[in-house]
Amino acid sequence: SAVISQKPSRDICQRGTSLTIQCQVDSQVTMMFWYRQQPGQSLTLIATANQGSEATYESGFVIDKFPISRPNLTFSTLTVSNMSPEDSSIYLCSVEDPERRGGYEQYFGPGTRLTVT
Amino acid sequence: GQSLEQPSEVTAVEGAIVQINCTYQTSGFYGLSWYQQHDGGAPTFLSYNALDGLEETGRFSSFLSRSDSYGYLLLQELQMKDSASYFCAVVPDSNYQLIWGAGTKLIIKP
Repeated sequence: SAVISQKPSRDICQRGTSLTIQCQVDSQVTMMFWYRQQPGQSLTLIATANQGSEATYESGFVIDKFPISRPNLTFSTLTVSNMSPEDSSIYLCSVEDPERRGGYEQYFGPGTRLTVT
Repeated sequence: GQSLEQPSEVTAVEGAIVQINCTYQTSGFYGLSWYQQHDGGAPTFLSYNALDGLEETGRFSSFLSRSDSYGYLLLQELQMKDSASYFCAVVPDSNYQLIWGAGTKLIIKP
């Protein structure tokens, strides 16, 4: 298993500004995932972050808008840049179970609830 | 395209049994996972099926039929704390990414 913390837990930001979300894991993991989830909706994968390589972004998400850092095997950040109200959402990081490769069992952080005004 | 279909909402009575179905259409398939998410909480892993058949974990069981591209989550002896959203998710390939269903909101009545 893995325990994940995220900071901040919530924030209210003004449009045009940027927010960096931190994700810390209590064990070393190869793959970390960043998701976005609107209340009552499913999860949408933003990008996959591997340590030592560039993040892989899903269709509709670009590095200029959502830059990701992955400096080591226990930490990652997601920045939401030049925010607009459409970026208001819950942002979640997750990791694969470090003891079971395959991605089918992921552990999630508590999420960051972002409101852009 | 890749899609998973599950009912948007299911209602059941406390103590009863409920089944949440999931059909999928994906370009590849390694297995089917199920997650539970309470309101305001993060998704938590429940079960995974890579092979056909039933996997049992306490009050929860999950079933997979690869030939039918179909699976279900079975919850027995329902408790009020089981009120949550349940997501099925497919592992389509070795890239470890999940494709998520839209989620089923389970409402439990006393």
